[in-house]
Amino acid sequence: DAKTTQPPSMDCAEGRAANLPCNHSTISGNEYVYWYRQIHSQGPQYIIHGLKNNETNEMASLIITEDRKSSTLILPHATLRDTAVYYCIVGDTGFQKLVFGTGTRLLVSP
Amino acid sequence: DTGVSQNPRHKITKRGQNVTFRCDPISEHNRLYWYRQTLGQGPEFLTYFQNEAQLEKSRLLSDRFSAERPKGSFSTLEIQRTEQGDSAMYLCASSYSEDSRTEAFFGQGTRLTVV
Repeated sequence: DAKTTQPPSMDCAEGRAANLPCNHSTISGNEYVYWYRQIHSQGPQYIIHGLKNNETNEMASLIITEDRKSSTLILPHATLRDTAVYYCIVGDTGFQKLVFGTGTRLLVSP
Repeated sequence: DTGVSQNPRHKITKRGQNVTFRCDPISEHNRLYWYRQTLGQGPEFLTYFQNEAQLEKSRLLSDRFSAERPKGSFSTLEIQRTEQGDSAMYLCASSYSEDSRTEAFFGQGTRLTVV
């Protein structure tokens, strides 16, 4: 079973920041938080991952709470092409058998 | 190298027939994963290889399913005596286990329809 809880859907206006929350209250000390997204009819795409520090790359920022029980993926300037299902996953970096939940369906509108 | 490649992209087969899918991972990746995804659900883990060794199989992988990675490069997933419930997207992913960059990269999938 997935170890994360995400809202089933969210809306965002184009150009605005999209903040996608994720709860992972049972995360263990050696587990990372991974984010993937899946655009319709394509394979999942890696976005970002982190352990306890906040992370940023060219796609997004990942904010992890100090107790590591929740995190937020931030798309700073959402575009229509960011419309997708976003999956938050926790896993041990040493063995990456990703367990996907049902994710959050993000709809970016003009 | 343009990423993980899966063939065919689409397959329609009659119930009871055997089908085989192929996955070519990113060349330096030593880990290869198979997932299955049905409509409205997230991908479900099926099995994973490190080099040529199959290290874990999900309970979802019935006796009709077999996966191989004979030389630690490409992999095949065979389904024997297909059933309508096997209709799904079959996804392959690969990753490199030897450093912290262990994120998995997915292919575009093979969509199987059993009629």
